[in-house]
Amino acid sequence: QSALTQPPSASGSPGQSVTISCTGTSSDVGGYNYVSWYQQHPGKAPKLMIYEVSKRPSGVPDRFSGSKSGNTASLTVSGLQTEDEADYYCSSYAGGNSLFGGGTKLTVL
Amino acid sequence: EVQLVESGGGLVQPGGSLRLSCEASGFTFSTYWMKWVRQAPGKGLEWVANIKQDGSERYYVDSVKGRFTISRDNAKNSLYLQMNSLTAEDTAVYFCTRGLYSNTYWGQGTLVTVSS
Repeated sequence: QSALTQPPSASGSPGQSVTISCTGTSSDVGGYNYVSWYQQHPGKAPKLMIYEVSKRPSGVPDRFSGSKSGNTASLTVSGLQTEDEADYYCSSYAGGNSLFGGGTKLTVL
Repeated sequence: EVQLVESGGGLVQPGGSLRLSCEASGFTFSTYWMKWVRQAPGKGLEWVANIKQDGSERYYVDSVKGRFTISRDNAKNSLYLQMNSLTAEDTAVYFCTRGLYSNTYWGQGTLVTVSS
């Protein structure tokens, strides 16, 4: 039950793109297409941004996209906006269990 | 409208117990897996436990196995987390959330502080 590995920080200027990685194992990220991504602003509950690796819930801008290759999933935010500044967490199903990444603080410069 | 409302948090001494509740509304509670997730102050999200629709399957993070018990009462549309032998490391905001593979709906969280 080790946490998924995310970079602690990422940054970009408005309009740029940034990609956040999430590395697990063949028992979680690599074994299932059940990777999800959450955005969390300070003091708020997490918000689902991507589910099942690359699907976007209704209302989430198409600037947000997800992908997976092997044991690593990625979240890409294109056309960065100031309101995208937040903490981002990946999560994966792991055969009954669930796992979260350590989180990535995204700064929009 | 889907709503999840946690309650039961508070200050408890090390070694003590606490029972968290999560009241669900706006959806058919009995048809969804449910989950508890916690977040220590200034830290990231940590999965705590999952429970199947009928309670027949339960899964826990290693750090709470044998101390925490997740349960549900589908007649009352409620999810519970019984927490025993609490330590300072259990201090966190505890969220209940709907779903096994992904989680669209979250409660506002309830703060548990373990301190003497």
